[in-house]
Amino acid sequence: DTEVTQTPKHLVMGMTNKKSLKCEQHMGHRAMYWYKQKAKKPPELMFVYSYEKLSINESVPSRFSPECPNSSLLNLHLHALQPEDSALYLCASSLTGTGEKLFFGSGTQLSVL
Amino acid sequence: GESVGLHLPTLSVQEGDNSIINCAYSNSASDYFIWYKQESGKGPQFIIDIRSNMDKRQGQRVTVLLNKTVKHLSLQIAATQPGDSAVYFCAGDNTGGFKTIFGAGTRLFVKA
Repeated sequence: DTEVTQTPKHLVMGMTNKKSLKCEQHMGHRAMYWYKQKAKKPPELMFVYSYEKLSINESVPSRFSPECPNSSLLNLHLHALQPEDSALYLCASSLTGTGEKLFFGSGTQLSVL
Repeated sequence: GESVGLHLPTLSVQEGDNSIINCAYSNSASDYFIWYKQESGKGPQFIIDIRSNMDKRQGQRVTVLLNKTVKHLSLQIAATQPGDSAVYFCAGDNTGGFKTIFGAGTRLFVKA
């Protein structure tokens, strides 16, 4: 299995809602990532987990809360988002995280109303 | 800080021709470079990578060239096909770090 699976594929939420994005991989990878991608722009790194510990937080607002329950799962909890947070949220994984290629999921297209 | 950028935002080629997509980087600490392809509605997909101890690497129909002197990276696609139409991103990382930083991207159009 060489896939990174993200759910849901699409999400529409209001600014007062709480929702979660989910990501799963069964490749035995020990590094997992959240990227944000706006239309016609490159992916921007948000968070990195290495061996289930948060290694990097790229100064992401606290309304985004990552969680790594185990080595195969990665969640992104969303609360009180703003319309400008509308974007494609991509999950990725890599074997250990240091200087390696990333395997991406297809993303969750998020719209905040 | 790290930045990886591209020279051209769009590239249009005739089917069967070769394509060359260029990329410049600024961080001398980067020692690992990757090209990704992103099709509409999908996440980026790995194409080929190269480490800084090499200057050329070949895959199936793709070649990556690295010129560390001028901090330049290129992706060559041989005999470009309609299925190659996508956005191509170069990305840089350094061994020991977790930050893969993406360049702006080039959209490749393949004309039949």
